[in-house]
Amino acid sequence: DTEVTQTPKHLVMGMTNKKSLKCEQHMGHRAMYWYKQKAKKPPELMFVYSYEKLSINESVPSRFSPECPNSSLLNLHLHALQPEDSALYLCASSQETLNINIQYFGAGTRLSVL
Amino acid sequence: AQSVTQLGSHVSVSEGALVLLRCNYSSSVPPYLFWYVQYPNQGLQLLLKYTSAATLVKGINGFEAEFKKSETSFHLTKPSAHMSDAAEYFCAVSKPGTGGSYIPTFGRGTSLIVHP
Repeated sequence: DTEVTQTPKHLVMGMTNKKSLKCEQHMGHRAMYWYKQKAKKPPELMFVYSYEKLSINESVPSRFSPECPNSSLLNLHLHALQPEDSALYLCASSQETLNINIQYFGAGTRLSVL
Repeated sequence: AQSVTQLGSHVSVSEGALVLLRCNYSSSVPPYLFWYVQYPNQGLQLLLKYTSAATLVKGINGFEAEFKKSETSFHLTKPSAHMSDAAEYFCAVSKPGTGGSYIPTFGRGTSLIVHP
C-alpha cells in the first residue's frame, strides 16, 4: 500500500471559520509534509514533521497550525484564512528526511476561502 | 543555492511523437534529481530519480532521463507520446538542508499537451 489519503477532497470556508485538513498514511513512514500549491505553480513546502516532531516551518502564517497526533496522521488546522490562501493543499510522506527517500503524495484538498 | 530550471512552461506534441522536457540544475555539489508527474486533480507521483548511480535512469510509463554533468542537465524523454501522458511535469533537486534533511526543491513545471 503506497497510498496517502487526504480528506476532505474539497473545502469551502469563510474567513471566520475554523476547519481542519487530514492526512493519513499506513506505510510506516516517519516523515510527513504539508505543501501549498497554486494553479500552474510548483508545490511550496509549508511544514515537515520528522518522527512526529515539527522539524521545518517555512515561515508559514500562524493561521495555519499543523499537528501530528501519531506517526500515521497529520492534520492542518485552519483559522481566519484569507482569500489568497485558496489553493491545493498536498500532504506527502517519506520513510524519513535524513536520506534520499521517495515522497508519496496524496491527491490533495482543494481549498476555497470566501 | 540549489535550484532547477525547466525550459518551456508548455510543450505540445502529437501522439506518437518524441517527448522531450528540459531541466537544468545548479548545484555546487553532486545533486540528487527527480522528475515528478501531476495528473489533473491529483498529487505528484515520482517518475524517476538520479542518485549518482547510472547516468541514464529509467522510470515508469516508458520515461527516462539522462544526467549530463557537463551540461548540468537532466532532461526527460519518452520515445512515443500517448494521450494519457498529458499532465504537469516537475523537475526537482535535493541535497542536505536544515539539520541534514533532504527536502526537494521543485522547478516551475512544464505542462505537456498531447494532440491526437
